[in-house]
Amino acid sequence: DTEVTQTPKHLVMGMTNKKSLKCEQHMGHRAMYWYKQKAKKPPELMFVYSYEKLSINESVPSRFSPECPNSSLLNLHLHALQPEDSALYLCASSPPGRNEKLFFGSGTQLSVL
Amino acid sequence: GNSVTQMEGPVTLSEEAFLTINCTYTATGYPSLFWYVQYPGEGLQLLLKATKADDKGSNKGFEATYRKETTSFHLEKGSVQVSDSAVYFCALYTSGTYKYIFGTGTRLKVLA
Repeated sequence: DTEVTQTPKHLVMGMTNKKSLKCEQHMGHRAMYWYKQKAKKPPELMFVYSYEKLSINESVPSRFSPECPNSSLLNLHLHALQPEDSALYLCASSPPGRNEKLFFGSGTQLSVL
Repeated sequence: GNSVTQMEGPVTLSEEAFLTINCTYTATGYPSLFWYVQYPGEGLQLLLKATKADDKGSNKGFEATYRKETTSFHLEKGSVQVSDSAVYFCALYTSGTYKYIFGTGTRLKVLA
């Protein structure tokens, strides 16, 4: 299994909703990432988990809450989002000792109304 | 700080034309350089990489050479296909971090 799987593929939510994005990999990778990508822009790093511990938080607003329950699973909990948070959210993972080798999922296209 | 600059798109070519997408970088130390490709509706995929000066990365007919003297990593392909239509991102990575610096992306459209 050489895939990073993200669900759902599309999500529409209101500003008062609570939702979660899910990411899963079974490649034995121990670093997992959340990126945000606006249309026609490069991905922007949000969070990095290394060995299930949060290593990097790129000053992301608290309405985004990451969670890494185990080495294969990464969640992003969403609450009270704003319309400007609408974007493609990409999960990625990298093998131990090879953090430059990113494997991306297909993303969740999020629309906040 | 580190940065990556790549040519503005979109680039529109006819099938079998020669492709060049320019990429230059600014970095301290010795970064690794990458090209990623993003097809519509998908995440990014690693296309090729080079880890030191004068290295040439290649994959699927695409090539790029790490030129330290010109701080460049231009992407080339001798004969593009319609299926190469995508957005291409140049990126650098500094060992010991988790952080990529991505260029702004160049959209390529290949016409049959």
